Amino acid sequence: AQSVTQLGSHVSVSEGALVLLRCNYSSSVPPYLFWYVQYPNQGLQLLLKYTSAATLVKGINGFEAEFKKSETSFHLTKPSAHMSDAAEYFCAVRGDNAGNMLTFGGGTRLMVKP
Amino acid sequence: SQTIHQWPATLVQPVGSPLSLECTVEGTSNPNLYWYRQAAGRGLQLLFYSVGIGQISSEVPQNLSASRPQDRQFILSSKKLLLSDSGFYLCAWSQSGTTNEKLFFGSGTQLSVL
Repeated sequence: AQSVTQLGSHVSVSEGALVLLRCNYSSSVPPYLFWYVQYPNQGLQLLLKYTSAATLVKGINGFEAEFKKSETSFHLTKPSAHMSDAAEYFCAVRGDNAGNMLTFGGGTRLMVKP
Repeated sequence: SQTIHQWPATLVQPVGSPLSLECTVEGTSNPNLYWYRQAAGRGLQLLFYSVGIGQISSEVPQNLSASRPQDRQFILSSKKLLLSDSGFYLCAWSQSGTTNEKLFFGSGTQLSVL
């Protein structure tokens, strides 16, 4: 079975500072990994995904994530935080269960201080 | 283009009352449909998924049920709500015939059971 752990349910950064949201996974099959973002009062939308091509994946809004097999990690980063980045971020792994359903982590709420 | 509609946006129900949340998708045919629940302080939990009309798979046992009376309609129901049913419910869809990698989410329903 697969699982996802997001370290830190809340992360606070200053505007312009580096954003680092941590995600570690376990999967019995080569993983497909995803980051979703949920802005206040909205549904989730896909930020980026890793599908066994390049290990550094670039997404929307300046975010990127690096797949590190040796560390079973897929951390999300952005060099400079913007106030509009304040949202909840979910890491997910495609499952090895029937139907390959996505398994989500617990989420990390990113707060950006002016 | 494809769109997903979910309603109502918020709902307050007493314990023991019935529930019906509706989700419809436009602009695609034979989508895979999902219901997720996001409980406060927790991640997303897959409740039900459907790969076709009348085909429902349940991921966790609970007092909720789902139905798919039409190709692009997915309904989440309960005969008697419990306090623990409170949470944020998200409907999602993905293209059929794929590995269900990319999910498109509705805007969610905030359910409060009092």
